[in-house]
Amino acid sequence: EVQLVQSGAEVKKPGESLRISCKGSGYSFTSYWISWVRQMPGKGLEWMGRIDPSDSYTNYSPSFQGHVTISADKSISTAYLQWSSLKASDTAMYYCARQVQQLGPGYYYYMDVWGKGTTVTVSS
Amino acid sequence: DIQMTQSPSSLSASVGDRVTITCRASQSISSYLNWYQQKPGKAPKLLIYAASSLQSGVPSRFSGSGSGTDFTLTISSLQPEDFATYYCQQSYSTLLFTFGPGTKVDIK
Repeated sequence: EVQLVQSGAEVKKPGESLRISCKGSGYSFTSYWISWVRQMPGKGLEWMGRIDPSDSYTNYSPSFQGHVTISADKSISTAYLQWSSLKASDTAMYYCARQVQQLGPGYYYYMDVWGKGTTVTVSS
Repeated sequence: DIQMTQSPSSLSASVGDRVTITCRASQSISSYLNWYQQKPGKAPKLLIYAASSLQSGVPSRFSGSGSGTDFTLTISSLQPEDFATYYCQQSYSTLLFTFGPGTKVDIK
């Protein structure tokens, strides 16, 4: 079964660092990008960025560039999302998703498998 | 950046109704448009990719159409398990995969 298993809920204080994880199984981890998506309480979905686990190439939404870091360790089929200094506004649910690249007229990209999400709460 | 809008932002419908949700892109995105369903407390689920391709395992009552800037998601006969929030997402810009704001479908 193809799945992405995310790490558990976190409660942190402002200014603390954090790394959450997303472990892929049931497929070739290096054959698909991993995207991270934020959902703030009661709000919609926001794409944060993605990584190609085969070479660790990343790109970020401008809204998140410089505030988070996406990385991956292909030897253990795991992607990461990390913060060096959390803010209260980082309180949200964070999802990882497998990003398919399907050849069409160009390439179609879509997120077909999602993790269950990691809740991050930042409060003093 | 490509902006995505959806209409309506919410709707109330009854079981058996035909439901149509519209998504509009701020510039032409060809057919690089995906639809997701999210139920409360759950991760999003892919319904439609490439504007009109049904993801494996998704019921055939869901369909997608459109190209360029205007797209629709149609549920031909609404079922109880379809009450959820629906998001469109463009994949034309591979540097920034933006989502629409969502359309909440609830019970009339």
